[in-house]
Amino acid sequence: EDQVTQSPEALRLQEGESSSLNCSYTVSGLRGLFWYRQDPGKGPEFLFTLYSAGEEKEKERLKATLTKKESFLHITAPKPEDSATYLCAADILTGGGNKLTFGTGTQLKVEL
Amino acid sequence: DGGITQSPKYLFRKEGQNVTLSCEQNLNHDAMYWYRQDPGQGLRLIYYSQIVNDFQKGDIAEGYSVSREKKESFPLTVTSAQKNPTAFYLCASRQAAHDTQYFGPGTRLTVL
Repeated sequence: EDQVTQSPEALRLQEGESSSLNCSYTVSGLRGLFWYRQDPGKGPEFLFTLYSAGEEKEKERLKATLTKKESFLHITAPKPEDSATYLCAADILTGGGNKLTFGTGTQLKVEL
Repeated sequence: DGGITQSPKYLFRKEGQNVTLSCEQNLNHDAMYWYRQDPGQGLRLIYYSQIVNDFQKGDIAEGYSVSREKKESFPLTVTSAQKNPTAFYLCASRQAAHDTQYFGPGTRLTVL
């Protein structure tokens, strides 16, 4: 069974305190690994897609990396506006087309 | 403005009533998806459609129905057979395999 696990469930950081969020996956036929940011009461906002082990992508204070078993979202010198839930999802090809399998998310709180 | 619209933002229904959630996109995307999100859980796939007049069951299709008569529209009906319909419902779309999947703003359904 395809499975995506995120850790930690919640993370509290001080402004400027760098850290990493983990997304481990066990899927058959991974097509890509997606990262999203979600604010309370809103739809997820796309951040990155990674397609192959060793790939890295950056956007402002965020950098996503991918290995054969897991992905990391590194947050460098976070600010309070980075507070959100971060979701990862494995893109899998099925007989009916591509579909994303999501982890349960990491709720990040950045404090002054 | 291009994007995905979901209406209404909040919806209240009495137990035992069917209710239809709207999802429209003007991105010319072929594939559309419906997810359900509950507190502390990741997004779970209800139904998805790769082309007009065709759709597939996701992981939690029981108690739901969909139609795809037009490329830009993918309405979801929550039937009285769905035992726990109160949740946040998200619609998404994407152009093709490997492309980004975008989300709408969501509809919060409360069944009283």
